[in-house]
Amino acid sequence: ILNVEQSPQSLHVQEGDSTNFTCSFPSSNFYALHWYRWETAKSPEALFVMTLNGDEKKKGRISATLNTKEGYSYLYIKGSQPEDSATYLCAFSNDYKLSFGAGTTVTVRA
Amino acid sequence: DGGITQSPKYLFRKEGQNVTLSCEQNLNHDAMYWYRQDPGQGLRLIYYSQIVNDFQKGDIAEGYSVSREKKESFPLTVTSAQKNPTAFYLCASSIQVSQETQYFGPGTRLLVL
Repeated sequence: ILNVEQSPQSLHVQEGDSTNFTCSFPSSNFYALHWYRWETAKSPEALFVMTLNGDEKKKGRISATLNTKEGYSYLYIKGSQPEDSATYLCAFSNDYKLSFGAGTTVTVRA
Repeated sequence: DGGITQSPKYLFRKEGQNVTLSCEQNLNHDAMYWYRQDPGQGLRLIYYSQIVNDFQKGDIAEGYSVSREKKESFPLTVTSAQKNPTAFYLCASSIQVSQETQYFGPGTRLLVL
């Protein structure tokens, strides 16, 4: 089982503030890095798939960066809104399967 | 409306009993997966299937069994050999088994009586 670490485990952010958190993964045998958003009582939903070192992806106020050489990815939320409250999962892809981190749970306070 | 359905939402298992969790997809995906989630841990792969009539063990297959008789369906049986079955179970599918995006169902929570 590949070691994928996410930090922090949880965070609280005031509405309108920006925040970011980290996913670290093995830097060898890299295929892809996935980010998912998992809202309470819903299914995990894919946000981004990144494959190249230096990749940056953006979806609305959420963006992600990738550093495959040092084995980390950042996810940024700009101007947090209550609907951004969710657990954000990253998953490292090595050939046929995904290895998931435990997630960062974001709570946006109004 | 395409997607993945899982049933039931909650399932109770008695000591020594086998129980089966249902997973159905209408996305026409070849690959399907079962994951288990425990508090404070990432999703762990139980079994996956690349194509009909084929399946492979994941990282924590002991005490579980699966079948893949139809493309749309990938049921998971939690057997009496699984000594710690209480967990949240997620089913997913993707176009192929690879680094592609996986699409998840809503999950089944299994509790032991």
